[in-house]
Amino acid sequence: EADIYQTPRYLVIGTGKKITLECSQTMGHDKMYWYQQDPGMELHLIHYSYGVNSTEKGDLSSESTVSRIRTEHFPLTLESARPSHTSQYLCASRLGDEQYFGPGTRLTVT
Amino acid sequence: GDSVTQMEGPVTLSEEAFLTINCTYTATGYPSLFWYVQYPGEGLQLLLKATKADDKGSNKGFEATYRKETTSFHLEKGSVQVSDSAVYFCALSERAGGTSYGKLTFGQGTILTVHP
Repeated sequence: EADIYQTPRYLVIGTGKKITLECSQTMGHDKMYWYQQDPGMELHLIHYSYGVNSTEKGDLSSESTVSRIRTEHFPLTLESARPSHTSQYLCASRLGDEQYFGPGTRLTVT
Repeated sequence: GDSVTQMEGPVTLSEEAFLTINCTYTATGYPSLFWYVQYPGEGLQLLLKATKADDKGSNKGFEATYRKETTSFHLEKGSVQVSDSAVYFCALSERAGGTSYGKLTFGQGTILTVHP
């Protein structure tokens, strides 16, 4: 069983608010990923990291930013949330060729 | 680029029926192939995987065989249960390194509903 955590699980906020979605893992994995899952279920990579101080944008353009100051922590920040950011955000870490996912954060921006 | 195509859904079955969810892929290299399952309100869980041609992945009665000649990785289960109701994603991953950064490329997902 993989130990990867995301908080909050659910978040409803108003337009223009700044938010940070937390992701942490206790497995010591170097590689971590953020995926956005749209209401139609499709999953798109928005950010990834190879390790501390390494962050890159993924395939889907996103207004969010990420940081990787510690191996176990990979938070995602939206400076000014908009209704178009409403989605489920999934964090994952990787060992070998397997990715382990957190439970996700379901974000609703009103 | 890499892509994964799953059969159109949703799929509705009666308990104990046979399940097949088709998955085909396009990749330039030699990917690893995966099936993930997502239960309502949860993240994705790895169901099974295969890393090379003709490998068979299996778990919890589900199985899938890596077919390089047909670029397919179809998911099967001989007798489904109500508890198998979930969304199933086929995915591929190129080897990490170079320009691939080890990401997963997902299919569009297939909703499975099993009735008693």
